[in-house]
Amino acid sequence: GQNIDQPTEMTATEGAIVQINCTYQTSGFNGLFWYQQHAGEAPTFLSYNVLDGLEEKGRFSSFLSRSKGYSYLLLKELQMKDSASYLCAVTGRDDKIIFGKGTRLHILP
Amino acid sequence: DTEVTQTPKHLVMGMTNKKSLKCEQHMGHRAMYWYKQKAKKPPELMFVYSYEKLSINESVPSRFSPECPNSSLLNLHLHALQPEDSALYLCASRSGSGRGNEQFFGPGTRLTVL
Repeated sequence: GQNIDQPTEMTATEGAIVQINCTYQTSGFNGLFWYQQHAGEAPTFLSYNVLDGLEEKGRFSSFLSRSKGYSYLLLKELQMKDSASYLCAVTGRDDKIIFGKGTRLHILP
Repeated sequence: DTEVTQTPKHLVMGMTNKKSLKCEQHMGHRAMYWYKQKAKKPPELMFVYSYEKLSINESVPSRFSPECPNSSLLNLHLHALQPEDSALYLCASRSGSGRGNEQFFGPGTRLTVL
């Protein structure tokens, strides 16, 4: 089976940095997604990590350690519009993509 | 262009109605997905088509019937739904395998079953 864990809620301050962690246990791991989802909207693709290491895209970075079953999403220079849910999802050898329960991020001014 | 389109945006239907949700992508992606999402929950996988063939059915009730007429289109036919089927229905597409194998979502159809 598959198990994906991420914190339910986090709070951070505008302008700060926040790290959202995701741990997973799955057979046949192929890659890990991060999505941002604002209330009432569809998820927006942020990153897809296949290899170990850090990938940076502007204010957002994503890290993967395959041996530890661990990933994090790093958000820098937080803005109020970053208040959203952040979803970690893993994919295996088939096309199945399974989502964690999501982390609701609250940004305080 | 990473656009996946879905119609309609909103749908209200009775339990005896038959309706269809439509999804379209023109990115040449080989895999297309249907997800169901209830409020404050993550997307829940329903079906996956790969190269126009159904590859994954997550034990979805038969009142939901997927169809992939061609590589760009994906439909979800709805019949005799229950009020608990009210949710956001999301379509997604995915390119292939390897490093560039991102998955992109459409805007969703918000379905209400009365």
